[in-house]
Amino acid sequence: EVQLVESGGGLVQPGGSLRLSCAGSGFKFSSYWMSWLRQAPGKGLEWVAHTRPDGGDKWYVDSVQGRFTISRDNTKNSLFLQMNSLRAEDTAVYYCVGNVASWGQGTLVTVSS
Amino acid sequence: DVVMTQSPLSLPVTLGQPASISCKSSQSLVHNDGHTYFSWFLQRPGQSPRRLFSEVSKRDSGVPDRFSGSGSDTNFTLKISRVEAEDVGVYYCMQHGHWPHNFGQGTNLDI
Repeated sequence: EVQLVESGGGLVQPGGSLRLSCAGSGFKFSSYWMSWLRQAPGKGLEWVAHTRPDGGDKWYVDSVQGRFTISRDNTKNSLFLQMNSLRAEDTAVYYCVGNVASWGQGTLVTVSS
Repeated sequence: DVVMTQSPLSLPVTLGQPASISCKSSQSLVHNDGHTYFSWFLQRPGQSPRRLFSEVSKRDSGVPDRFSGSGSDTNFTLKISRVEAEDVGVYYCMQHGHWPHNFGQGTNLDI
């Protein structure tokens, strides 16, 4: 069974940084396209970043370009999202998603002073 | 960017009755490789989204056959033949053939 478990969320001040992690199990992690998506409170779903199975190509939504970095360690079945220069509008539940179909339970990031 | 437009945004239904949700994209979702990267998701209250269909009409494992997905190019439809209580939630359409990948606004189905 595919499992994705996110961690690293929390409360951070505007301008601060946070690193999210996602641990995958039950599947061949190195073969999956991996993504971070988010959902602001009471709002819809938004893609944030996306990476190829080998981690060689990465895509970012315009609103996080230059501030967020997606990375992966296939030897540890892990996906990461480094978030810098955080803004109030980045407040959301962040989901780790594999091959579009498999979702983690999400981790809440709150950006507030 | 591709814009995904769902309708209706709110869908009150009666148990046992059919339901239908439409999703239109601002440009063709037929990819250069011939595939149409279009999916439907259901997010039940308090849960992560769950994919129902990939590539328009390929039902995911465990999805009841009262659900069906259809459409092509820019027009897509999700149908439920007979709504059950467990179908309550927000339904999203999504395209992932063009970056940025994106979702429709969501359709809130309630009894």
